Amino acid sequence: QQPVQSPQAVILREGEDAVINCSSSKALYSVHWYRQKHGEAPVFLMILLKGGEQKGHEKISASFNEKKQQSSLYLTASQLSYSGTYFCGTEGDQGAQKLVFGQGTRLTINP
Amino acid sequence: DGGITQSPKYLFRKEGQNVTLSCEQNLNHDAMYWYRQDPGQGLRLIYYSQIVNDFQKGDIAEGYSVSREKKESFPLTVTSAQKNPTAFYLCASSPWTVGAGELFFGEGSRLTVL
Repeated sequence: QQPVQSPQAVILREGEDAVINCSSSKALYSVHWYRQKHGEAPVFLMILLKGGEQKGHEKISASFNEKKQQSSLYLTASQLSYSGTYFCGTEGDQGAQKLVFGQGTRLTINP
Repeated sequence: DGGITQSPKYLFRKEGQNVTLSCEQNLNHDAMYWYRQDPGQGLRLIYYSQIVNDFQKGDIAEGYSVSREKKESFPLTVTSAQKNPTAFYLCASSPWTVGAGELFFGEGSRLTVL
């Protein structure tokens, strides 16, 4: 089943923070985060495995709460380059190597 | 340079015609995937393959077919049975890991049915 992302769209000023949420109705083994700029291919940001892991990538970090089957992506002090659509991809069964993506969250950063 | 190459980038097709989208990777990755992207619907999995000569249906496999005769290649055929084929198609690959590894995407193929 497709995970649900919220919000669907966010508009920020440069330097502001944002949180994007990803929620699943089934148990998760891993959560992936990708960013896609208009007209381009999605680019990998990070993978989180079950265990409440938190990871960071520059000023972008994420958490994974396996009990709640939720993950959140945190963008701190946003930059213009952070604009794009963010997708979470979830893997339900260990070893399945099958990712199901959410519908995406469009992030717009204005100067 | 290593990467994933999709072709053609743009393709126009008449109704009733089959069309094959090419996907080649030189990353020596085991797993390969095809996703379809429509506005506001994110990425939906069509087919995926973990090893040569084996592949599994994704969530929207109807009207599509694939083959995996070589590790580097995973072509997708959009058949005339696909009722709404106009979309952006993305191919991806990932190295073998326990669970899904990082996906490396191609630049995509945009198919328009006239």
